[in-house]
Amino acid sequence: SQTIHQWPATLVQPVGSPLSLECTVEGTSNPNLYWYRQAAGRGLQLLFYSVGIGQISSEVPQNLSASRPQDRQFILSSKKLLLSDSGFYLCAWSVRTGWYEQYFGPGTRLTVT
Amino acid sequence: AQSVAQPEDQVNVAEGNPLTVKCTYSVSGNPYLFWYVQYPNRGLQFLLKYITGDNLVKGSYGFEAEFNKSQTSFHLKKPSALVSDSALYFCAVRERVGGKLIFGQGTELSVKP
Repeated sequence: SQTIHQWPATLVQPVGSPLSLECTVEGTSNPNLYWYRQAAGRGLQLLFYSVGIGQISSEVPQNLSASRPQDRQFILSSKKLLLSDSGFYLCAWSVRTGWYEQYFGPGTRLTVT
Repeated sequence: AQSVAQPEDQVNVAEGNPLTVKCTYSVSGNPYLFWYVQYPNRGLQFLLKYITGDNLVKGSYGFEAEFNKSQTSFHLKKPSALVSDSALYFCAVRERVGGKLIFGQGTELSVKP
């Protein structure tokens, strides 16, 4: 069966510090991968998605970036965090074709102080 | 442009009563529709989907959803609510081009004993 991991689970970082969040998927190959941010416990904002290694599409221009160095690894980064980057970050995967639904990881709670 | 709306921010139900969480959509062509549930500080869990076929879709934890093309709705239902059903529920529609999911703003379900 497929599983998706995210770490760390929680993170407190000062403004201006760098960020690296990691997501890995097990039990599947060639997945589509997604990064979402959820602010204030509600709406989901799609940040990035990837259909393959090195292929990243950005949905919202901001100081975050994403990379996919391996087929089942997706990394969210920032060089300098802003207060507004605080939120709950969710990684998700879906098969490339067919089932359509996305499966989400447990999330990372980021607090920028 | 495709969109999905959840008209209720919160739904309150007594345990044992039926529950309905509403969702309406706007898409061109046939929609691919989904329901997810999110417990506090957790990732989203996939409940069910409508792709084609029967208008009544059965999913996890006793939930079902009814697809109504004429009313462009996809309401989530359960015959008898449990206190443990209390959570945040998201409706989503899949984009025809690109395959990304568009999420509603979420409905907080509260089931009281």
